Amino acid sequence: QVQLVESGGGLVKPGGSLRLSCAASGFTFSDYYMSWIRQAPGKGLEWVSYISSSSSYTNYADSVKGRFTISRDNAKNSLYLQMNSLRAEDTAVYYCARDRGTVVTHNHDFDYWGQGTLVTVSS
Amino acid sequence: QSVLTQPPSVSAAPGQKVTISCSGSSSNIGNNYVSWYQQLPGTAPKLLIYDNNKRPSGIPDRFSGSKSGTSATLGITGLQTGDEADYYCGTWDSSLSAGRVVFGGGTKLTVL
Repeated sequence: QVQLVESGGGLVKPGGSLRLSCAASGFTFSDYYMSWIRQAPGKGLEWVSYISSSSSYTNYADSVKGRFTISRDNAKNSLYLQMNSLRAEDTAVYYCARDRGTVVTHNHDFDYWGQGTLVTVSS
Repeated sequence: QSVLTQPPSVSAAPGQKVTISCSGSSSNIGNNYVSWYQQLPGTAPKLLIYDNNKRPSGIPDRFSGSKSGTSATLGITGLQTGDEADYYCGTWDSSLSAGRVVFGGGTKLTVL
């Protein structure tokens, strides 16, 4: 069965950095785009970034562009999110999700989600 | 302020039907597929509807989706107390140069 397990969240000071990981299993990881989606406490969903199956394409929300970097290692079935220059407004649960879209179809929907990892940015 | 507009809350009695609307524009819903997600309290979102009206395997046919112009609707029939959750619509938005995935602000369903 498909499993996505995030890790790497925690408490970090404003301006600090954190690297999130997502371990995937139960499907051919290299066949799919992957996305990071976050949810601030008590708020709605916000898409953060996607990466294509071969890492050729990436896309970011304006709110994180230039500060966050998405990457993947298909040999390790793993997805990553490097977060730099963190701000209080980045505080959220971060989910990795399997993304059925492509850069051609833009048919981005998310059929499997991890349990999420909490990132708290506070001094 | 979300790009897609959903009512903050809806409610209905067990066994009844409810609809949740999602309003957008030509740069998002009007020219792209819509998906819907259910988020039970304390859990990750779950895909309910994709490509406007298709259900993933395992999603009961009590859940349905439709799209007309720049709006989409999620319908739930035969409401159960277990349906109490937050519901989100999502789609692609091409109003910015690189495009982006956008979600509605979410609708809290209460089954009275």
